[in-house]
Amino acid sequence: GAVVSQHPSWVICKSGTSVKIECRSLDFQATTMFWYRQFPKQSLMLMATSNEGSKATYEQGVEKDKFLINHASLTLSTLTVTSAHPEDSSFYICSPPGTAGVGYTFGSGTRLTVV
Amino acid sequence: GENVEQHPSTLSVQEGDSAVIKCTYSDSASNYFPWYKQELGKGPQLIIDIRSNVGEKKDQRIAVTLNKTAKHFSLHITETQPEDSAVYFCAASRDTGTASKLTFGTGTRLQVTL
Repeated sequence: GAVVSQHPSWVICKSGTSVKIECRSLDFQATTMFWYRQFPKQSLMLMATSNEGSKATYEQGVEKDKFLINHASLTLSTLTVTSAHPEDSSFYICSPPGTAGVGYTFGSGTRLTVV
Repeated sequence: GENVEQHPSTLSVQEGDSAVIKCTYSDSASNYFPWYKQELGKGPQLIIDIRSNVGEKKDQRIAVTLNKTAKHFSLHITETQPEDSAVYFCAASRDTGTASKLTFGTGTRLQVTL
């Protein structure tokens, strides 16, 4: 259970452009989705939590206007990196919250490279 | 908030030997402790987890132990194989049944040599 499909798996974009990352829940209805960022050889850092039908909750230090999160339906959450810069290059991963008896799972991740 | 420390940062073992990774947490209210394996370029995969009402859990070559009093938990991998080589993360959360956040350790890069 709690299978998510994340796309794209990798993307290269030019500085100043925007990139959208999708996370789809395949076998459950996701009212919430966590979005993480992972820099090379570092741990996963929670960026924000998307909520279906309401605004996302951002962690301290994460720019809301730069990382737009939308939870359009119970099966789709998206993260848009706007006006991307090379320092935004990272591995972005979505994860639905765990439920009793089922561990937290993760998407396959998106490697973003901004040139 | 919760703080999770993980040691060692790198671990090299010979095939067939055991590997132990240790984590400590700060929030005594944390009650759910998963371990993840992450291979290069992939998302983390849950390999085993333990809840605070249990002291030890085992799944084939993998085991996790939890000491609530000392607030630390450990991952034990026996009879290591080359395919065990990866980065391992521990995590902790208050599993309240709602959208509980995971706090991750800093990761351990395990290298199993032939």
